[in-house]
Amino acid sequence: KQEVTQIPAALSVPEGENLVLNCSFTDSAIYNLQWFRQDPGKGLTSLLLIQSSQREQTSGRLNASLDKSSGRSTLYIAASQPGDSATYLCAVYTGGFKTIFGAGTRLFVKA
Amino acid sequence: DAGVIQSPRHEVTEMGQEVTLRCKPISGHNSLFWYRQTMMRGLELLIYFNNNVPIDDSGMPEDRFSAKMPNASFSTLKIQPSEPRDSAVYFCASSLGGVDSQEKLFFGSGTQLSVL
Repeated sequence: KQEVTQIPAALSVPEGENLVLNCSFTDSAIYNLQWFRQDPGKGLTSLLLIQSSQREQTSGRLNASLDKSSGRSTLYIAASQPGDSATYLCAVYTGGFKTIFGAGTRLFVKA
Repeated sequence: DAGVIQSPRHEVTEMGQEVTLRCKPISGHNSLFWYRQTMMRGLELLIYFNNNVPIDDSGMPEDRFSAKMPNASFSTLKIQPSEPRDSAVYFCASSLGGVDSQEKLFFGSGTQLSVL
């Protein structure tokens, strides 16, 4: 059974710092991995999607990497800003229409 | 496109009442998902549809829950009768995809359900 784990559960950093969020999954047989952002009281917004054949994806200050063989992904946020404060979730698509989510990392960027 | 639209945004009801949540997916998306989010259990997949057909409802917690998708632009999730433990945020999401492929998932803003 596929399990997705995110560490740490919460993270607080000063503004301007570069940071890395971690995601691990137990079964490497995935089709893709997505990183989502969730603001309080809101839905999830897809930030980046990495196909299983890809190693990384970039969007602005965000860079996501994927190492399928080791079951790991990282989300790198450069020059963090208070507006980046949110919960970040990773999710793997295992086929058969099933996407498995991690519990998320709650990020707080202090001004 | 307006994105995935859910209604109502908030629902407060009394135990035993019927609750109906509504979702309009993004036009052209062929897959629709209903999720439930709680602090204790995180995001749980309840049921999903592909081309309006329910594929897997094994995540539906009990027979009190039912979902329909009468056409490509509308889906409902019904709870009858509702119980306090059903209190959660219910999300609808849609995407383009098939059995072995899926593009980005787009989520609605959710329905905050409180059962008193």
